[in-house]
Amino acid sequence: DTAVSQTPKYLVTQMGNDKSIKCEQNLGHDTMYWYKQDSKKFLKIMFSYNNKELIINETVPNRFSPKSPDKAHLNLHINSLELGDSAVYFCASSQDHPGRGYTFGSGTRLTVV
Amino acid sequence: GQNIDQPTEMTATEGAIVQINCTYQTSGFNGLFWYQQHAGEAPTFLSYNVLDGLEEKGRFSSFLSRSKGYSYLLLKELQMKDSASYLCAAYNTDKLIFGTGTRLQVFP
Repeated sequence: DTAVSQTPKYLVTQMGNDKSIKCEQNLGHDTMYWYKQDSKKFLKIMFSYNNKELIINETVPNRFSPKSPDKAHLNLHINSLELGDSAVYFCASSQDHPGRGYTFGSGTRLTVV
Repeated sequence: GQNIDQPTEMTATEGAIVQINCTYQTSGFNGLFWYQQHAGEAPTFLSYNVLDGLEEKGRFSSFLSRSKGYSYLLLKELQMKDSASYLCAAYNTDKLIFGTGTRLQVFP
């Protein structure tokens, strides 16, 4: 019954590795997002997709590549992980005009060692 | 540019009232959101203001003044479970831009 689910919840990996985070929403929303929350709790948008089409790409290094196979899924692949990538990554979804706000997933805590 | 400011931390006593202020500067403004985030959890939607004025929802109310670029979240009858971060976010054409959040600690 989870509205926005992302996996894994925790991810510990070494520098230089490649990893993926998956996100799925069952709300029928048209738009999905990836946000990064750093150690100071600042939530910053990375990407958004509307019906599988990339809408926003906020000057994120091209080591980060989102993929949306359909409008219910938005995955995030990260190549050549760096220490500075350590953060909590939140997936979210919304209707086209989010008068009810975004619905966030529970987050993926990525630790790069 | 885009800028959202809110206090970093606040403290209050159980049963009291607290007001968390937020000022914003964004282009293409389409509304102001407040989210609550408990430690280690996802942000959850509290309120949305697009017109000037006060929106009341139970113990929580949110106010917006578009001309002043100002909003506040008012929490009444504080409970221990209200200890959390409160995130102000401006909806800018096609995305939510968040402030750094205000960490509220409620003491008995």
